[in-house]
Amino acid sequence: QEQIQQWGAGLLNPSETLSLTCGVSGGSFSGYFWTWIRQSPGKGLEWIGEINHTGKTDYNPSLKSRVTISVDPFNQQFSLRLTSVTAADSAVYYCARHIGGGYTHWGQGTLVTVSS
Amino acid sequence: DIVMTQSPDSLPVSLGERATINCKSSQSVLSNSNNRSFLAWYQQNPGQPPRLLIYWASTRESGVPDRFSGSGSGTDFTLTITSLRAEDVTLYYCQQYYISPYTFGQGTRLEI
Repeated sequence: QEQIQQWGAGLLNPSETLSLTCGVSGGSFSGYFWTWIRQSPGKGLEWIGEINHTGKTDYNPSLKSRVTISVDPFNQQFSLRLTSVTAADSAVYYCARHIGGGYTHWGQGTLVTVSS
Repeated sequence: DIVMTQSPDSLPVSLGERATINCKSSQSVLSNSNNRSFLAWYQQNPGQPPRLLIYWASTRESGVPDRFSGSGSGTDFTLTITSLRAEDVTLYYCQQYYISPYTFGQGTRLEI
C-alpha cells in the first residue's frame, strides 16, 4: 500500500522560506508526477507545481519566481521551497501523485502559517 | 488559466435521493489526440486531503462506490450521486488537468 508522508515547518515569519518534503513508501517512484497543491479559505485549491522522477518541472506562473520543486529518487522524496513568504502564503500544503488521470495519492497535509 | 466554475456552491440534499453537481470550464478540456476530457472529481472531508472519485470525466477510481458517476465532455461536466448516504454529505471539487496550471473549481458543499 503506497503511502506519502510529508513534513516541514508549519510556522514562518514573513520573508522566510517555506520548506516541505514528502516521502513515498510502499510503491514505485518512477513514472509518476509528484505535485504540490495548497488550500486556503480565500483561494481554495491551488496547484503549485510538479516534478517527475527525472527532475522535469512545471510551475504555476503565479508562483514561479518563488518556487522550487526538487526530487531525490534514491530516497523517494520530493521537496517544495517557496521563498519570501507572506501572510497570503498561509495555507494547508499537500503533496500528491498522478500519472495523468487525477491525483490518486495525497500526503496528510501541513498547515503553514505565516505570521510575525 | 482555465477557470473552473461549479454550481451550485451549496446543495441541500436528502438521504436516499440524488445529487447533481455541475462544473464548467472556461475552455475545452477535451483532447483531440485521445478524445478524452481531462477532468477529475474529488470528495473532501474536514481535515482530510481530497479523495479522487472520477477521472477522464467519467472513469470511476478503484474502490469508489458505483453510486458516484461522472458525465460530460468539452466544457460541461456533471457529478451525480445516487441514493445519497450520510457519508456523502461533504465537499466536492472538479479539476482540469489538461492545461497547466491545473485548476480546481471553488467547491460544492452538500448539506442536509
